Amino acid sequence: AQSVTQLGSHVSVSEGALVLLRCNYSSSVPPYLFWYVQYPNQGLQLLLKYTSAATLVKGINGFEAEFKKSETSFHLTKPSAHMSDAAEYFCAVNNQGGKLIFGQGTELSVKP
Amino acid sequence: NAGVTQTPKFQVLKTGQSMTLQCAQDMNHEYMSWYRQDPGMGLRLIHYSVGAGITDQGEVPNGYNVSRSTTEDFPLRLLSAAPSQTSVYFCASSDLGGRGAFFGQGTRLTVV
Repeated sequence: AQSVTQLGSHVSVSEGALVLLRCNYSSSVPPYLFWYVQYPNQGLQLLLKYTSAATLVKGINGFEAEFKKSETSFHLTKPSAHMSDAAEYFCAVNNQGGKLIFGQGTELSVKP
Repeated sequence: NAGVTQTPKFQVLKTGQSMTLQCAQDMNHEYMSWYRQDPGMGLRLIHYSVGAGITDQGEVPNGYNVSRSTTEDFPLRLLSAAPSQTSVYFCASSDLGGRGAFFGQGTRLTVV
């Protein structure tokens, strides 16, 4: 069965600091992996996706993630945090058509 | 460019009442799904559909019904609302290629 684990339900960084949000997955077949962002009182927006092409994936708003099969990880990074990055971030896995399995979410706070 | 449209945005129900959450998409996606979002639990799949006339249960289907008579619409019915169904509900649609889902803006439901 597929599953996703996000390490840390809350991450706090200073503005300008590195953002690192951790995601590990389990899947019996090569997965598709996604990061979504949710701003307060809004729906989920796709940040980036891995679909078995390049292992380093670039997304919107300066975020990127690296697929590491040996570590079953898909961590999300951004070199320099901005106040507008404060949101909740969800990692998800998909290997059965459109069915997405989500992690528990990580709330990112950015301090001035 | 509507994408996925959910109505209503907010709803308060009394225990035992019934209601239908509406979801429509205009992208001709085969796959549609309903999730509920609760604090600390990420998004959990309630029901999904891979095409008109085909539906299946997700992780937390009890207390909910769905139908899919057209490609565009995928309503979620609460037959007899319970306080445990207080949550934020999201509808999503995608193609079957695993390229990621598009989400509606959510329905915040409170059952008193």
